[in-house]
Amino acid sequence: NAGVTQTPKFQVLKTGQSMTLQCAQDMNHEYMSWYRQDPGMGLRLIHYSVGAGITDQGEVPNGYNVSRSTTEDFPLRLLSAAPSQTSVYFCASRSGTVSNQPQHFGDGTRLSIL
Amino acid sequence: AQSVTQLDSQVPVFEEAPVELRCNYSSSVSVYLFWYVQYPNQGLQLLLKYLSGSTLVKGINGFEAEFNKSQTSFHLRKPSVHISDTAEYFCASLSGSARQLTFGSGTQLTVLP
Repeated sequence: NAGVTQTPKFQVLKTGQSMTLQCAQDMNHEYMSWYRQDPGMGLRLIHYSVGAGITDQGEVPNGYNVSRSTTEDFPLRLLSAAPSQTSVYFCASRSGTVSNQPQHFGDGTRLSIL
Repeated sequence: AQSVTQLDSQVPVFEEAPVELRCNYSSSVSVYLFWYVQYPNQGLQLLLKYLSGSTLVKGINGFEAEFNKSQTSFHLRKPSVHISDTAEYFCASLSGSARQLTFGSGTQLTVLP
């Protein structure tokens, strides 16, 4: 069972570079989301999607773009990387529109911006 | 806005001792509560959840939590911990019409031999 798959696992970027973090799930989940995890701050929601073609902003969306062209994939784009975006990024998915269902998380992408 | 407070950032405990990880949430008419565990270099895994019904919730790996509405708490407990329980634990809430989880800042549990 693949679940939620994130690539790459590690990445180092220079300030100003752009990149896309990939997320794919094979559970046919409608809801997908991106979080960043920073020490002492828990997980903060960046963007989320309730289905293909629908995305919305979370708590900390600035500097990030998302799109949802298929149910399976939900890539996160950094347009111009900044050192403040050094973090661990997690993608998650859950089934349906019932919001109390637990989320399934990927193993994370550890991103360093120099 | 919802908020979740985990009162202890680090909890060291000896193997086979009991442990309690504390979590308080902001009050709401209806609330769903979750505990997740994160092992090193991995994503979060669901330990247990409270949606409704019995206030004592049992989860995986021998953990349990009690929903206390009057104290707005959802503390996680285990009567006897193992070295393998060393991990970071996150409390999260979902209330009312909110569609997104709100996470606490996490508690690092370290089990000592």
